[in-house]
Amino acid sequence: KAGVTQTPRYLIKTRGQQVTLSCSPISGHRSVSWYQQTPGQGLQFLFEYFSETQRNKGNFPGRFSGRQFSNSRSEMNVSTLELGDSALYLCASSLQAGGFSEQYFGPGTRLTVT
Amino acid sequence: GNSVTQMEGPVTLSEEAFLTINCTYTATGYPSLFWYVQYPGEGLQLLLKATKADDKGSNKGFEATYRKETTSFHLEKGSVQVSDSAVYFCALTSDSNYQLIWGAGTKLIIKP
Repeated sequence: KAGVTQTPRYLIKTRGQQVTLSCSPISGHRSVSWYQQTPGQGLQFLFEYFSETQRNKGNFPGRFSGRQFSNSRSEMNVSTLELGDSALYLCASSLQAGGFSEQYFGPGTRLTVT
Repeated sequence: GNSVTQMEGPVTLSEEAFLTINCTYTATGYPSLFWYVQYPGEGLQLLLKATKADDKGSNKGFEATYRKETTSFHLEKGSVQVSDSAVYFCALTSDSNYQLIWGAGTKLIIKP
């Protein structure tokens, strides 16, 4: 079956702009989690959605938000971009929420903020 | 709060050497422990997991035992191959915060 897909794969934005990233989970998976990966901070949990509800949120400012649609596809939005938001954004889907079941990762979206 | 500490890399070994990558954790509640691997040019994927104390996870010749007394989940392999070169991440989740907490990752380089 098809894996997790993320679009776009690469993105260049300028400070102050906003951006929307998309994630399509594996068919049948209702949980979608988002992570930020940077060389300095490593992998950090952003938030998780399960059946269209945000189940958990990491320690990120309110500029980072997300949503999940009825088909389990998810989007995350970052407003008022800062240079420090440059990172690889990973999406993962799983059968269960909370990180207890295997998470299947997409290839990521590389965001560069200039 | 919950945290994971793993040995810094890169770790460089010769083919057929014995591998250990150390991972220790701090957690409240009842954590489940994981090793994920990121091969060059590929996405993260689950390597193995353990859900309770004394459980041993194993896959592709890799093993890790959940040691509650030492709060550790060290990754081991008896004989590494060049194809094992990758970045390895230790992670945990628990019923106290329901989110994956990640170690910093350890880059493994295997030389032929």
